Amino acid sequence: KAGVTQTPRYLIKTRGQQVTLSCSPISGHRSVSWYQQTPGQGLQFLFEYFSETQRNKGNFPGRFSGRQFSNSRSEMNVSTLELGDSALYLCASSLFGGAADTQYFGPGTRLTVL
Amino acid sequence: AQRVTQPEKLLSVFKGAPVELKCNYSYSGSPELFWYVQYSRQRLQLLLRHISRESIKGFTADLNKGETSFHLKKPFAQEEDSAMYYCALRYQGAQKLVFGQGTRLTINP
Repeated sequence: KAGVTQTPRYLIKTRGQQVTLSCSPISGHRSVSWYQQTPGQGLQFLFEYFSETQRNKGNFPGRFSGRQFSNSRSEMNVSTLELGDSALYLCASSLFGGAADTQYFGPGTRLTVL
Repeated sequence: AQRVTQPEKLLSVFKGAPVELKCNYSYSGSPELFWYVQYSRQRLQLLLRHISRESIKGFTADLNKGETSFHLKKPFAQEEDSAMYYCALRYQGAQKLVFGQGTRLTINP
């Protein structure tokens, strides 16, 4: 099976712009989670989607949003970008998001905000 | 609040020596603990989880609820063990993982 894929891999934006990142889960996986990784804060949970519904949410401002499509692909959007949004954004998928499920991570999208 | 602490940012040991990567957590309920590993130029991947009680690549980890710890151990380190290791906690059955800051392990020949 192909692994989790994320596009684009690298992105450069300027402050105030918005950005959309995409994640394609492993075939058959219905749960998609997003994480932000920065040198200062480490890996932080953004949100999780299952069957097109946001099921869990981390402590990020409303500028960070996401959605999931019927084929389980997910997008996350960051509006009004700030310098501090520069990070590696990781997506992870699992079968149902259940207790026994393993999360499989994608390679990440490196976002740089200038 | 839930928190995972990995006190060592860097750990360097010689090949063949024992390795112990420390992880302490803060959570009042029944947590699920994991170790994730990221090898150079590879993606983050699950190494082991406490509920499986298995040994992966020679690594084991025991959940100690009294000390709220989940230390990762290997009796004889190998050069290919050099990587970034993250301890993570999942609570309330949710898919939300709380990660520690990570420990970069270097195995010297």
